[in-house]
Amino acid sequence: DTAVSQTPKYLVTQMGNDKSIKCEQNLGHDTMYWYKQDSKKFLKIMFSYNNKELIINETVPNRFSPKSPDKAHLNLHINSLELGDSAVYFCASSHKPPPGLREQFFGPGTRLTVL
Amino acid sequence: EDQVTQSPEALRLQEGESSSLNCSYTVSGLRGLFWYRQDPGKGPEFLFTLYSAGEEKEKERLKATLTKKESFLHITAPKPEDSATYLCAVQASAKRVSSGSARQLTFGSGTQLTVLP
Repeated sequence: DTAVSQTPKYLVTQMGNDKSIKCEQNLGHDTMYWYKQDSKKFLKIMFSYNNKELIINETVPNRFSPKSPDKAHLNLHINSLELGDSAVYFCASSHKPPPGLREQFFGPGTRLTVL
Repeated sequence: EDQVTQSPEALRLQEGESSSLNCSYTVSGLRGLFWYRQDPGKGPEFLFTLYSAGEEKEKERLKATLTKKESFLHITAPKPEDSATYLCAVQASAKRVSSGSARQLTFGSGTQLTVLP
């Protein structure tokens, strides 16, 4: 059973396009996250949702818009894609939102390539 | 700003050759330090959480330790299946932090471990 799943696994698209990445978790967690992992392997938090409510919104261009239809799903929509958006995007979930200390469980990642 | 530095960037070991990975951190009050393992093409997999200096945790061939400035991940008699990138992350203490975003995990760039048979 997959705990945190993401689709698609790979996404190749042209500059200027709009794309979405979907994430679902079946762990019963209340909190979900989006991370971006760049070419140097740094994982950086983008957004965090707790029970469908946005609680963390890092300095991310407003071309990125998360949406949480329910607490098991957190989707990421990206408008007007740019070359610098190329990266691996990871979804994660945890029992508690920060500052609650709980390990986060990560999805398999979506490799986005913008041409 | 919280910072996490991992060393070495890459490490090649022979099977059975024990070694340690280092994670140095600067944080405004440590709430917790996490170790994750990441295999190529996959998401990070949780290994350990350490809360205070002097704490140690073990899992199979891995042992994580914590001081006030750094954490070590000791690998005893590694096997080829231990090959992966090991990531360290810290979470700041909430009472020392004014913004919610800073209570998130701050990750290092990882140590890529290769264990040769």
